[in-house]
Amino acid sequence: AQSVTQLGSHVSVSEGALVLLRCNYSSSVPPYLFWYVQYPNQGLQLLLKYTSAATLVKGINGFEAEFKKSETSFHLTKPSAHMSDAAEYFCAVSEGNAGNMLTFGGGTRLMVKP
Amino acid sequence: DTAVSQTPKYLVTQMGNDKSIKCEQNLGHDTMYWYKQDSKKFLKIMFSYNNKELIINETVPNRFSPKSPDKAHLNLHINSLELGDSAVYFCASSLQGGVYGYTFGSGTRLTVV
Repeated sequence: AQSVTQLGSHVSVSEGALVLLRCNYSSSVPPYLFWYVQYPNQGLQLLLKYTSAATLVKGINGFEAEFKKSETSFHLTKPSAHMSDAAEYFCAVSEGNAGNMLTFGGGTRLMVKP
Repeated sequence: DTAVSQTPKYLVTQMGNDKSIKCEQNLGHDTMYWYKQDSKKFLKIMFSYNNKELIINETVPNRFSPKSPDKAHLNLHINSLELGDSAVYFCASSLQGGVYGYTFGSGTRLTVV
């Protein structure tokens, strides 16, 4: 069975500071890993995905994430936060089988202070 | 050209009513899903259909019944609505087990009063 844990339901950073959102996963097979962003009252937008190619994955809006198998982690980072990054971020895992579902972590609310 | 579209976007209804939410994808994906997002933003899978065949049916009250007339459509019908059904329901689709990612609709906010 697959599962995801996001450490920190709320993270607050100052504008221009480093953003680090933590994600640890559990999977019985090599996983596919995703980060999604949800702005208020909107749907889920894919930020980036890891599907067994390069372990450092670059996504949209300057975000990137590194797959570390030994730590079962897939933390999301951005060097410099913008006010527009304030949103809910979800880490998710899939085992990649036909029809396999995406399992989400509990989400992290990112707040950016001026 | 919306990739995954859901209707309606908002749904307010009384307890005991029956309602449906429709979902359509134009991406050529082979699998479609329904997710429920509760008031604490937690996202949980409800159902999954692969090429019109039900393959995931999580512990969901049998008042919820999905229907997939073809692989581009997955509708959700809910009977005898209860207050606890109030949530945001997201439709999603994927191809080949999600290797290329999962695409989500914009959600349907259901409020039961």
